[in-house]
Amino acid sequence: RKEVEQDPGPFNVPEGATVAFNCTYSNSASQSFFWYRQDCRKEPKLLMSVYSSGNEDGRFTAQLNRASQYISLLIRDSKLSDSATYLCVVNERTGGFKTIFGAGTRLFVKA
Amino acid sequence: DAGVIQSPRHEVTEMGQEVTLRCKPISGHDYLFWYRQTMMRGLELLIYFNNNVPIDDSGMPEDRFSAKMPNASFSTLKIQPSEPRDSAVYFCASLESRGTEAFFGQGTRLTVV
Repeated sequence: RKEVEQDPGPFNVPEGATVAFNCTYSNSASQSFFWYRQDCRKEPKLLMSVYSSGNEDGRFTAQLNRASQYISLLIRDSKLSDSATYLCVVNERTGGFKTIFGAGTRLFVKA
Repeated sequence: DAGVIQSPRHEVTEMGQEVTLRCKPISGHDYLFWYRQTMMRGLELLIYFNNNVPIDDSGMPEDRFSAKMPNASFSTLKIQPSEPRDSAVYFCASLESRGTEAFFGQGTRLTVV
């Protein structure tokens, strides 16, 4: 089983739609969680952190369920510019420190 | 700060040749990660360093791959001999131990023919 698993998609949605991405992680000792965004032929960049209490940044809402080892990202009112790959990221602090990326979910927003 | 700097940006080489990828992390960051990205396998962690010391190299595919970090401002990933299946984008990222965000370089796109 992969350490971080995501639905690869692609998700094809119209502008204005609401879309949700899910991610599961296998290591219960994982300590911090993030969503990164990667545009085509570019490097990944931090989109937002994920907290147990949930957090919101404009049209983006991230949730963490530690009991189920599950992370989600909700995008409301999708824009064309939201088209990208969204990567679920888990930091493990077991002995050392590892930043593990999911394979990413591709999103295409169409006019 | 200029961010994480990787070189070269693109590399095309023949099978069997040695390839060396270079990375300069952000000053003050004490974690450095090497990743490989392909369409089939996504972003894979190859190896990471803390304070220049390799901590976990379990993601390195085989003995043809090696990585070093001789000082806090420089790391290399070497493939010898290279094979066509090594073709991928290789990213370097650095992280401040107390921070949360990993900053990536722009990547090296490697093509082995």
